[in-house]
Amino acid sequence: DTGVSQDPRHKITKRGQNVTFRCDPISEHNRLYWYRQTLGQGPEFLTYFQNEAQLEKSRLLSDRFSAERPKGSFSTLEIQRTEQGDSAMYLCASSRSGSEQFFGPGTRLTVL
Amino acid sequence: GEDVEQSLFLSVREGDSSVINCTYTDSSSTYLYWYKQEPGAGLQLLTYIFSNMDMKQDQRLTVLLNKKDKHLSLRIADTQTGDSAIYFCAAPPGNTDKLIFGTGTRLQVFP
Repeated sequence: DTGVSQDPRHKITKRGQNVTFRCDPISEHNRLYWYRQTLGQGPEFLTYFQNEAQLEKSRLLSDRFSAERPKGSFSTLEIQRTEQGDSAMYLCASSRSGSEQFFGPGTRLTVL
Repeated sequence: GEDVEQSLFLSVREGDSSVINCTYTDSSSTYLYWYKQEPGAGLQLLTYIFSNMDMKQDQRLTVLLNKKDKHLSLRIADTQTGDSAIYFCAAPPGNTDKLIFGTGTRLQVFP
């Protein structure tokens, strides 16, 4: 049984470029969550899906951010026109409804 | 909304017990969680407690919940150098499943 996986693990990009991250949840987990963690802080909730439906989005998720989970399995998080303030660790987690969340290793984004 | 607070640092000697404290604001949180994060890594679920319980023990870990004071603690018995990490308390506000995390407590274990 594999845990939550994320790809890539590290991404360095220049300001203004678009980036896309992928998350593969634990199989049969119907919920998938995205969080962002900046240095010295706890993770902050961004959005979550139940199957393919996006149920909640944080105010942190500006219109430059978009997340999808088209077939209710893997998810992608895209950031358009990246800014230096987007530099952070992006964490994905999955769960069965109402159960504990298991996290992936994260994607560390550095915007130059 | 939910607010979760933790002290920032804790330093203990190897073999002693560690106690990490957390306070939260939303009394309707159904479960409360403890996660561990090692440098550069994701979060590892350590344990959790249902809100109608006072205590939960899992090997070296003991979770105490004071629902009246909205206070949660994690006790690690016989702390080892491998326990050095950042520990996060997390609570879901109200009837949602999203987690609100504290800022984390950095535990340093010295020989």
